[in-house]
Amino acid sequence: EIVLTQFPATLSLSPGERATLSCRASQSVGTYLAWYQQKPGQAPRLLIYNAYSRATGIPARFSGSGSGTDFTLTISSLEPEDSAVYYCHQRYDWRTFGQGTKVEIK
Amino acid sequence: QMLLRESGPGLVKPSETLSLTCVVSGDSFRRYDWSWIRQPPRKGLESIGYLSSTGSSTNNPSLNSRVTISLDTSKNQFSLKLTSVTAADTAVYYCARGAGSPDLWGQGILVTVSS
Repeated sequence: EIVLTQFPATLSLSPGERATLSCRASQSVGTYLAWYQQKPGQAPRLLIYNAYSRATGIPARFSGSGSGTDFTLTISSLEPEDSAVYYCHQRYDWRTFGQGTKVEIK
Repeated sequence: QMLLRESGPGLVKPSETLSLTCVVSGDSFRRYDWSWIRQPPRKGLESIGYLSSTGSSTNNPSLNSRVTISLDTSKNQFSLKLTSVTAADTAVYYCARGAGSPDLWGQGILVTVSS
């Protein structure tokens, strides 16, 4: 099973700051990596698929990069509504999720 | 706009079978693949299995022998059966559109396994 490790576990930043979230795979997943946002009591929402493609309706402040084993989700300028847990997800070999990074807005 | 909604019992006894249905409203049900994903309380996400538009299913290897996912195109719905449940199967169960990176999810349904 491909293990996805996310870091940091928690990120606490102010509105307008840049957030950088990382996801490392235990083996190469090519670019078969996605990012989801989950707010309390809600279902996950697809942000990025195939490592860097933004899903429909996702604001341009969200961007993804990386390939192989190392990936990054960047939120260029945090908004208060970006407070959530973010999960990476691979579909290269079966499907697994990372354990999540919690983004808190100060 | 397509909407997904999970339905089924919220409480299942240990050793019994968990049965859920996802009803899909909107057009083009037959065009898509479909997934089931779960999330234990205060934990992360786990893929259970997915179903192609032709009805072929692929299940999580760790759950494979207990999982059945099926399609009913006449009713625009698909279903999940998980046998021999234990407390470890307590989770919010989500149905979702797509087998790769699901892009549309239901609201989820909490299923508790308890006697």
